[in-house]
Amino acid sequence: QKEVEQNSGPLSVPEGAIASLNCTYSDRGSQSFFWYRQYSGKSPELIMFIYSNGDKEDGRFTAQLNKASQYVSLLIRDSQPSDSATYLCAVNPNTDKLIFGTGTRLQVFP
Amino acid sequence: GAVVSQHPSRVICKSGTSVKIECRSLDFQATTMFWYRQFPKQSLMLMATSNEGSKATYEQGVEKDKFLINHASLTLSTLTVTSAHPEDSSFYICSARDPRGSGLTQYFGPGTRLLVL
Repeated sequence: QKEVEQNSGPLSVPEGAIASLNCTYSDRGSQSFFWYRQYSGKSPELIMFIYSNGDKEDGRFTAQLNKASQYVSLLIRDSQPSDSATYLCAVNPNTDKLIFGTGTRLQVFP
Repeated sequence: GAVVSQHPSRVICKSGTSVKIECRSLDFQATTMFWYRQFPKQSLMLMATSNEGSKATYEQGVEKDKFLINHASLTLSTLTVTSAHPEDSSFYICSARDPRGSGLTQYFGPGTRLLVL
């Protein structure tokens, strides 16, 4: 079992819709969770981090964490074509390192 | 967010030469930096953890004598690819851990694209 799992996609949504990106992790002791966005040919950029169960909102982005289910998600409201990218989920299992998922490719079509 | 720079952004070299890549944290001091490699259409692969003032910790399967890491100051880590070969051609990305706040957030540099002929 992979430590951090994401559906590779592509996830295709129409412009203006809500995109829902999901991630599960195996280490129950993990405390910190991150979402990065990576455009093709570019390096990852941090979108959000979340540490506590529940929802955390930042503009059009909402991160949701459920530690009991070992599940973290990212919702993108009012999706735009510029949101088309690969979204990486990363988990910190109480070590120095972040464990990354393989990413979900999101396509937002006009 | 915090700013991390990398230099050079792109390098082309002949097989057998060594290439040095610099990673700098511009607005914070980073005791810990990380080096990743990413092949086309593949996920990030952590190569090593770079700790200021001590030896780097390499991931399994990464040759420490081939990928030399030096973290000589709180804002600079370097990765030297020694005797580069075409199979070393890849996108090399560093990240720096921001000690502020939770101290766990990593910010990435823009990456260095290496092509070995």
